[in-house]
Amino acid sequence: NAGVMQNPRHLVRRRGQEARLRCSPMKGHSHVYWYRQLPEEGLKFMVYLQKENIIDESGMPKERFSAEFPKEGPSILRIQQVVRGDSAAYFCASSPTGQGAGETQYFGPGTRLLVL
Amino acid sequence: SQKIEQNSEALNIQEGKTATLTCNYTNYSPAYLQWYRQDPGRGPVFLLLIRENEKEKRKERLKVTFDTTLKQSLFHITASQPADSATYLCAIPSYDKVIFGPGTSLSVIP
Repeated sequence: NAGVMQNPRHLVRRRGQEARLRCSPMKGHSHVYWYRQLPEEGLKFMVYLQKENIIDESGMPKERFSAEFPKEGPSILRIQQVVRGDSAAYFCASSPTGQGAGETQYFGPGTRLLVL
Repeated sequence: SQKIEQNSEALNIQEGKTATLTCNYTNYSPAYLQWYRQDPGRGPVFLLLIRENEKEKRKERLKVTFDTTLKQSLFHITASQPADSATYLCAIPSYDKVIFGPGTSLSVIP
């Protein structure tokens, strides 16, 4: 059973371009979480999605950021018109059910975004 | 909203000693608390979960305690090894998601 997969692992964009980050959850997992991590800082929750639905986007910046988890295919985190402050590691995690019962999250290797 | 604090300073200990990491939360006591390990350049890996009605949980050389009165969890690694060097994150549920503490960097010196 393959783990959580993220691609690309490294992404370089110039200011103003778009960044698209992909996350394929573990097989059988329908819950996906996106986090952002700045150097020397902890994981900051961004958004929680279940197939075709956004459950909680309270950690997502109001502008330029969007996320989806379609019925088929990976979850996508999209950052439009990137700025230097968007440079960070973006992690995706998946779980078979929600967090209410203490379900373990399985993390991907992350995508390191660098905005020049 | 819930706030999580962990040892702000990096922890350096000698191989073979017990490492103790602290996680404090500010508001309501969560139904459970999790500990994860993160190595440089990699995603976190789940280690242990302790529920509010459990005082202590063990897994091999790892031990976690949960004191809802002190609003604190302690994470112990006994007989520490250089391979235990990593950042350790505690996490607690907040509504429909989990929030993470800033992490504590542990270095085990041979």
